[in-house]
Amino acid sequence: QSALTQPASVSGSPGQSITISCTGTSSDVGGYNYVSWYQQHPGRAPKLMIYEVSNRPSGVPDRFSGSKSGSTASLTISGLQAEDEADYYCSSYTSSSTWVFGGGTKLTVL
Amino acid sequence: EVQLVESGGGLVQPGGSLRLSCAASGFTFSSHWMTWVRQAPGKGLEWVANIKQDGSEEYYVDSVKGRFTISRDNAKNSLYLQMNSLRAEDTAVYYCAILRGSYGWSLDYWGQGTVVTVSS
Repeated sequence: QSALTQPASVSGSPGQSITISCTGTSSDVGGYNYVSWYQQHPGRAPKLMIYEVSNRPSGVPDRFSGSKSGSTASLTISGLQAEDEADYYCSSYTSSSTWVFGGGTKLTVL
Repeated sequence: EVQLVESGGGLVQPGGSLRLSCAASGFTFSSHWMTWVRQAPGKGLEWVANIKQDGSEEYYVDSVKGRFTISRDNAKNSLYLQMNSLRAEDTAVYYCAILRGSYGWSLDYWGQGTVVTVSS
């Protein structure tokens, strides 16, 4: 049950695009399409942004998109806005019938 | 409106016990898997445990197996986490969340969390 690997931090200027990677193994990210992404602002509960690799819940802007290649999933945010500054976590179902999160990525909007 | 309200957190000594509750409303509680997730101070999210709709299946992260027990009372629309033999490393904000199968087994609603501090 090792945590998925995410970069500790990424940054970008308003209007730019950024991508956050999430690397696992064939027992989690690589083996299932049950990868989700969560946004968390300081002091707040996490919010679901992407589910099943690339699907957006209603209300999430289409600036947020997800993809997967092999055992690495990615979250891309295009047209960065100030309010996107937050921590982002990936999560995946695992072959042990459990779930695992990534270590989290702090997004700074310059 | 979906609401999840956690309670029961507090300060407890190492080796002690605590029972967290999560009161659910605004959705059919008995139709959904439920999950506890925790976040240690300044750290990332950690999935803790899941329970099936009827309570017949439970899954735990290795670090809490044998110490924590997840349960639910569908008649009371409530989720619980019994935490025994608590350790300093269990100090965290504990969130309950809905595990939605139709959303690719993701957590689409979260409570605001309850704080557990394990310290002497």
